[in-house]
Order: sequence, then structure tokens, then C-alpha cells
Amino acid sequence: AQSVTQLDSQVPVFEEAPVELRCNYSSSVSVYLFWYVQYPNQGLQLLLKYLSGSTLVESINGFEAEFNKSQTSFHLRKPSVHISDTAEYFCAVSEITGFQKLVFGTGTRLLVSP
Amino acid sequence: DTAVSQTPKYLVTQMGNDKSIKCEQNLGHDTMYWYKQDSKKFLKIMFSYNNKELIINETVPNRFSPKSPDKAHLNLHINSLELGDSAVYFCASSQDQREGDTQYFGPGTRLTVL
Repeated sequence: AQSVTQLDSQVPVFEEAPVELRCNYSSSVSVYLFWYVQYPNQGLQLLLKYLSGSTLVESINGFEAEFNKSQTSFHLRKPSVHISDTAEYFCAVSEITGFQKLVFGTGTRLLVSP
Repeated sequence: DTAVSQTPKYLVTQMGNDKSIKCEQNLGHDTMYWYKQDSKKFLKIMFSYNNKELIINETVPNRFSPKSPDKAHLNLHINSLELGDSAVYFCASSQDQREGDTQYFGPGTRLTVL
């Protein structure tokens, strides 16, 4: 069965600083990878996903993530964060088995301060 | 228009009671899900329905019974509520059950069992 590890439960950064949120996964079959974001008191929203093709995927608000198969990682990065990026970020994996079953990591709380 | 809606938003009840949470999506999606998010923000899938048929049933106590009267609705009924059922329950939907589909989440229902 697949699993996802997000080692950092909380990442504090200053506004305009770069940030990296780490995600590693484990699976015996091919997978699709996702990052979802949860703003306070809201449901989750898709930030970006890797299905195939270029290993670097980008979101519309400046985040990017790179799929590294050899290291089984899908780290999320942003070169310059804003206060509004403060949220909980979840990495998730779905094994390619015929139907979607998302397995989530435990989440990383990104705290951006002025 | 809200894409995925849940009612109620908050639910406070006594141990032993029976309660239901309703979910509706107006996205025309075929697949719907229920997730449980515990106090540590860990998110775990409970059930998945595709075209009103159950396709994922994780190891959830049989006190939890999902019902899908049509493709746009997936309700969750919980019998004999226990303290450990306290959590935030999220409904989600996706176009279909393909592994790479984006899931759209509702705002969540915070269940507190006293």
C-alpha cells in the first residue's frame, strides 16, 4: 500500500522568503502525485498535480513541485511567499490501479509572517 | 454557486445519538467521496461512490453508512455516535474515478460528540 511522508509539521518563514515543503512517498506501483492546500476553516483545493510528462509542474500562484522518481519525492517550492500563502499543505498520492484513492500525508502548516 | 456543499457546517451531539451529514455537488461529477480529518489534521478516505455505486469502503465501522440517492448527492449516516467520531468530515467529488482526476472538496462538517 502507498504512503506519504511530510516530515515538517510546521514551516515558519518571513514574507518574500523562499520556501520548500517536503514530501516523500512509498509505493510498489506507478503513482500520480498531488499537492492540496487548506486555508483556515475551508475545504481542500488542488494546488498542482503530476500525472506524466515534464517532472516540473507549476501552479497559477507561483508554486512549483518536481517529481523525482529515484528519490520518490515531490517537494513543493515557492521562490517568494506572501502572507496569504499561510495555510495547511497536503501532499497526496494515488496509485494507478484503475480508480482514484488518494492517500494524504499528515500536512505541513506554512506560517508566513511580515 | 457553491460547487460542493455540506450541511450542517457544525454538529454537536451526545454519545449514542444517530446523525446524518448531507453532501451535494452541482459540478455534474460522477464520483463522490467522504473523508475524515482528525484533530491532528490527518485526512483519511472513508468511502467513494461512482455513479451511485460503492467503489471504496475503507476499514470504517459499520455504524457509518453512506447513501447515494443520485449522482449529485452522497449522504453519511452515523449510528450510535462515539467520542472518537469527533472530527471534521469532508465530502468531495471528481469528474470520474480516474486516478488523476482533481477532487473538489466541500467546506467540511465539524462533528463534536459529547
